[in-house]
Amino acid sequence: DAGITQSPRYKITETGRQVTLMCHQTWSHSYMFWYRQDLGHGLRLIYYSAAADITDKGEVPDGYVVSRSKTENFPLTLESATRSQTSVYFCASGDRQNGPYGYTFGSGTRLTVV
Amino acid sequence: AQKITQTQPGMFVQEKEAVTLDCTYDTSDQSYGLFWYKQPSSGEMIFLIYQGSYDEQNATEGRYSLNFQKARKSANLVISASQLGDSAMYFCAMRERDSGTYKYIFGTGTRLKVLA
Repeated sequence: DAGITQSPRYKITETGRQVTLMCHQTWSHSYMFWYRQDLGHGLRLIYYSAAADITDKGEVPDGYVVSRSKTENFPLTLESATRSQTSVYFCASGDRQNGPYGYTFGSGTRLTVV
Repeated sequence: AQKITQTQPGMFVQEKEAVTLDCTYDTSDQSYGLFWYKQPSSGEMIFLIYQGSYDEQNATEGRYSLNFQKARKSANLVISASQLGDSAMYFCAMRERDSGTYKYIFGTGTRLKVLA
């Protein structure tokens, strides 16, 4: 199916564990993004990627690692999860830097760190 | 400093009336884009409308229009003839250029409740 898929939809993990959130898109969009959504903060950019093997830090990158070996995949890893990383995580993709093209978002992953 | 400011955490509007959701932004770039997204209670993010910094006319998409005042750095969303299905969280976002690439910055959102 065409689209952008995040997995898992829900995840509970313990403090200190490593956890990876997956994001897969089928459009071959060059740009991909990871955001976290927290009450009162809106969506904050964690990392983004302009193409395979090119990644950049966003506003809140500490504690997260990303990779992009293939255009269609952009996994986000929490190296040692903390309670402050409890959040809803959104992946997004897009292919136009200019013009009236909004991103397409995944359905989100709700992560709880206990 | 906040790049995107949405000062209304919550808004109420009567069904069939118009409502304006405020958004101000801060950038030193001449070329940028402004966007509005809707997030219903189901959680997905839905792209609504776009305004380019060089566009002289306000953008419109059906019942949505963007009141763009460049000198004031504001990009307010106007929803006409509100419907119950418009109840959702609304986010203003700005696309800006950063070191040769582009990224989106979002505001904190406004929760809109449409009353029957």
